[in-house]
Amino acid sequence: DAKTTQPNSMESNEEEPVHLPCNHSTISGTDYIHWYRQLPSQGPEYVIHGLTSNVNNRMASLAIAEDRKSSTLILHRATLRDAAVYYCIRWSGGSQGNLIFGKGTKLSVKP
Amino acid sequence: DTGVSQDPRHKITKRGQNVTFRCDPISEHNRLYWYRQTLGQGPEFLTYFQNEAQLEKSRLLSDRFSAERPKGSFSTLEIQRTEQGDSAMYLCASSGGPTQYFGPGTRLTVL
Repeated sequence: DAKTTQPNSMESNEEEPVHLPCNHSTISGTDYIHWYRQLPSQGPEYVIHGLTSNVNNRMASLAIAEDRKSSTLILHRATLRDAAVYYCIRWSGGSQGNLIFGKGTKLSVKP
Repeated sequence: DTGVSQDPRHKITKRGQNVTFRCDPISEHNRLYWYRQTLGQGPEFLTYFQNEAQLEKSRLLSDRFSAERPKGSFSTLEIQRTEQGDSAMYLCASSGGPTQYFGPGTRLTVL
């Protein structure tokens, strides 16, 4: 059970911002929110993660709702290379720390 | 290149044969994970090592599957008596903290 809900697919135009939503209404107070993406024929790639505060890195921004029941991954200017499946994952860490993937959101970027 | 590597990248075998895959993690990472991914699905956790100890196995890992990580460095995943249902992408990931770094995967086709 992935315990997150994402749209199956989204489309964006190149050089426009993209907001990828994720619902995790049953998240516990200690679960992190991780985002990975998987380009065609490649292994998943880490994008960003956060706990409560919004986070920024060179790839993207992560906006986390105040009640932590949802989050949004923001790609500020989509490029054709950003076309991928994006996975939103609740991560509890601990001694094991395996990731539980859902089906993710397939992002298409149009030139 | 200091990323996670996997060998072979592709493997075609006949039903009933044994196959072995290798994963070389990032050298300083003590955690190593194996996942399996079928078409259109997100990766599914198979097993986890901390150094040389195999600490967790998914129910997906039937008794035909065995994984090792001798000396806490590279890992091997063996599938005995392969079945057509074993056809999938086998992904390896390593981590030294909350982020997992994935290899390119080994695509197995069982004829």
